[in-house]
Amino acid sequence: GENVEQHPSTLSVQEGDSAVIKCTYSDSASNYFPWYKQELGKRPQLIIDIRSNVGEKKDQRIAVTLNKTAKHFSLHITETQPEDSAVYFCAAKWGAQKLVFGQGTRLTINP
Amino acid sequence: DTAVSQTPKYLVTQMGNDKSIKCEQNLGHDTMYWYKQDSKKFLKIMFSYNNKELIINETVPNRFSPKSPDKAHLNLHINSLELGDSAVYFCASAGETQYFGPGTRLLVL
Repeated sequence: GENVEQHPSTLSVQEGDSAVIKCTYSDSASNYFPWYKQELGKRPQLIIDIRSNVGEKKDQRIAVTLNKTAKHFSLHITETQPEDSAVYFCAAKWGAQKLVFGQGTRLTINP
Repeated sequence: DTAVSQTPKYLVTQMGNDKSIKCEQNLGHDTMYWYKQDSKKFLKIMFSYNNKELIINETVPNRFSPKSPDKAHLNLHINSLELGDSAVYFCASAGETQYFGPGTRLLVL
């Protein structure tokens, strides 16, 4: 069945360092991979997404890479800041309508 | 931030009661969803509607009944509430991308 594995479940980095979160997916037909950031008590918000015809996408300090052959994709945050502290979710599109989410990564930026 | 809205924001109720949560989107999307987020933060899809038709119905107790009066609205009615129903319920709508509502924090006592 559909499955998205996300690692690590918790990640703590020093302010200014980089953070990397990795996801693997099971459905080779998946073609859309969004990342969501959820701050405490708030809704998940889309921060970046990538489609399967692209290997990498960057938006300021965040980037996502996709390896379709290996069925994995990663979120990279550079020059981390305290406001980057949140729970991050990866997702993969299953079929036409369904996003399957990873288990989430709690990222803590230490000042 | 009113693209996807939900009411109420908080809901505290006794076991056995029936309650409803409402969701509305003004993005013109055809597809809407209900998710449950438990204390471990896992986002679990419950239902999806496309243009008022049910298209996804995950393994959810039949005490939960969604209803879509039109494609801009998707409501969730829960009968005979149980302690384990306590969670945050998120509505979402999707076109090319998916957007979440602010969530309804349900606490069953």
